[in-house]
This record gives sequence, structure tokens and C-alpha cells, in this order.
Amino acid sequence: QKEVEQDPGPLSVPEGAIVSLNCTYSNSAFQYFMWYRQYSRKGPELLMYTYSSGNKEDGRFTAQVDKSSKYISLFIRDSQPSDSATYLCAYTGGFKTIFGAGTRLFVKA
Amino acid sequence: DGGITQSPKYLFRKEGQNVTLSCEQNLNHDAMYWYRQDPGQGLRLIYYSQIVNDFQKGDIAEGYSVSREKKESFPLTVTSAQKNPTAFYLCASGPRGQLNEKLFFGSGTQLSVL
Repeated sequence: QKEVEQDPGPLSVPEGAIVSLNCTYSNSAFQYFMWYRQYSRKGPELLMYTYSSGNKEDGRFTAQVDKSSKYISLFIRDSQPSDSATYLCAYTGGFKTIFGAGTRLFVKA
Repeated sequence: DGGITQSPKYLFRKEGQNVTLSCEQNLNHDAMYWYRQDPGQGLRLIYYSQIVNDFQKGDIAEGYSVSREKKESFPLTVTSAQKNPTAFYLCASGPRGQLNEKLFFGSGTQLSVL
């Protein structure tokens, strides 16, 4: 079993749509959950992180963690063409960070 | 501007050759990491360092070597023992040695085999 599973996509949506990106993870000991955005041939940049369960909102982005089902979600409201990128979920505990393979998102104008 | 600088952006390796990827940070971070990214796979940890003159192997360290002589610098050498080196290599740093929920990445180096 992979430590984190993420649908690779691609996911294509029209501008203005609500986007839902999801991951499942296996190690229940890890406490920090993150979403990174990666543009093509660039390094990932941290979008959001949450500690333990619950929701966190930042502008158009909402991160959600459900520890009971080991499910991580990122919602993007009013999606824009500039949101087109690969989104990596990740979680960490101790010295190790585990990354998903990423979901490619295309937002069409 | 604070950040992480990786060089070169593109690198080509001949068979039997060792090549070194540079990573420099001016964020004053203690921890530094090297990851490898292959299509369809998550980032895989090669080596990490929590402090100067100390580093640990990650999940795929075979065929790679590192040094950490200065806080700002963490170069990665891809040796001839690494039989499948073609990948996108990412250097990262974090403000602490553990529980790094905030990693800062460089722009990456694409390594290809001639």
C-alpha cells in the first residue's frame, strides 16, 4: 500500500468552477498535512498546511483533513486559469515528509 | 531576495561520469533536503541534513552522495553507480530539523543521460 494515494488526473474545469482535489494516506501517526502547488518544470511551493483534523481557509483555498477516514482535501473556489498546475498533497511527522504524485489541474478560460 | 538557488537548470551526464548539482540557500534554515521527482511518482527523498557536517540517507540514497560543510550549501553528487539518473532533482530547506510542515523548494535541475 502506498503511503499516500492521489489521482493523477488530468482534471480539466472551466474558469469559475469549484475544484476538489483529494488524497488518502496510511500513516495515522503523522500530524501535519500540506498542499503544494507546482508549475511545470518549477519547484513546488507551499499553499497551505493544517495540523491534525479540521478545515483551514485562505482566500479561495480551503484545506480539509478527516483523520477518521485518512482523507485530505483541497477545495479551490472561483478557479482561475492561473490555478492550472500540479497539486501535491503531503504529510509529515518526525523528519520525513511523504508526498503524493500530484494531480494535474487545467482551468480553461 | 531570500530563497533557494539550484544550478544548473539542465545537466547532461555521460556514462561513467559523476556530476554535481548545486543547492544554496540564504534563508538561514537548519534543515536541507534532496528529492528526486519522476513522472507519475511522488517526490522521493535522497538525502537530508539537519545540521552542518551531518546528513542522513533517505529512501533512495544508493548512487548518490552529499556534503554539508556550510549551513547555506548542500551539493548532491550523482555518481556513476546510479544507473537510472534521469529525473528532476529538487533541493528544499526548512527552518527546523524536524516536523517541517513548511518546506521551501528550489527551481530544480533536470538531469538527463547522453
